[in-house]
Amino acid sequence: QVQLVESGGGLVNPGGSLRLSCAASRFTFSDYYMAWIRQAPGRGLELIAYITSDSAFFYSDSLKGRATISRDNANNFLYLEMNGLRAEDTAVYYCARLRLYFFYMDVWGSGTTVTVSS
Amino acid sequence: EIVLTQSPGTLSLSPGERATLSCRASQSVRSSYLAWYQQKSGQAPRLIIYDASSRASGIPDRFSGSGSGTDFTLTISRVETEDFAVYYCQQYGVSVTFGGGTKVEIK
Repeated sequence: QVQLVESGGGLVNPGGSLRLSCAASRFTFSDYYMAWIRQAPGRGLELIAYITSDSAFFYSDSLKGRATISRDNANNFLYLEMNGLRAEDTAVYYCARLRLYFFYMDVWGSGTTVTVSS
Repeated sequence: EIVLTQSPGTLSLSPGERATLSCRASQSVRSSYLAWYQQKSGQAPRLIIYDASSRASGIPDRFSGSGSGTDFTLTISRVETEDFAVYYCQQYGVSVTFGGGTKVEIK
């Protein structure tokens, strides 16, 4: 079935950088908007970035200027590069597919954990 | 930004009981563009309702959504053991925002 698999999380020092990846399979990746959503420990969900099928993008205020979302439609990958990481960026980061023409998430990956700590 | 307030924070129920979860928006949600997600402990969220009242693929019919404007409800007609989880609402009428969640726990 349709699948999203994230990777690239880990422990990073404050001020450091990280690149998250999301491998998509079993759907026409290039047709869909894709998003990154994060969930801090014990907290709710936050949309942090999305990218359209033709690579226009949006960033939340919490990450603006510190993150770059991109996609590789040839190989079905979504990426999120983050820099200047802070303790408050500690969270599980989910990759999700946005339903065609709408902004709800109909497929989610299982998430990758980012911990920002010295 | 549209703020979504979910209530109650925690709902304690026995299997077989009816669950009624509320999601209230700070302003009207355009075209009832509201979704509900279920998140079990340690798992990713799963879409259960979109457009306020449409069930996602594979979701049992004991789940139903209703509402419009600023007031929305997720109802589980008879809660089963597998339904104990946290439920989030999300509006996508103007940008995207999520509610803070309602935990449905075993009584």
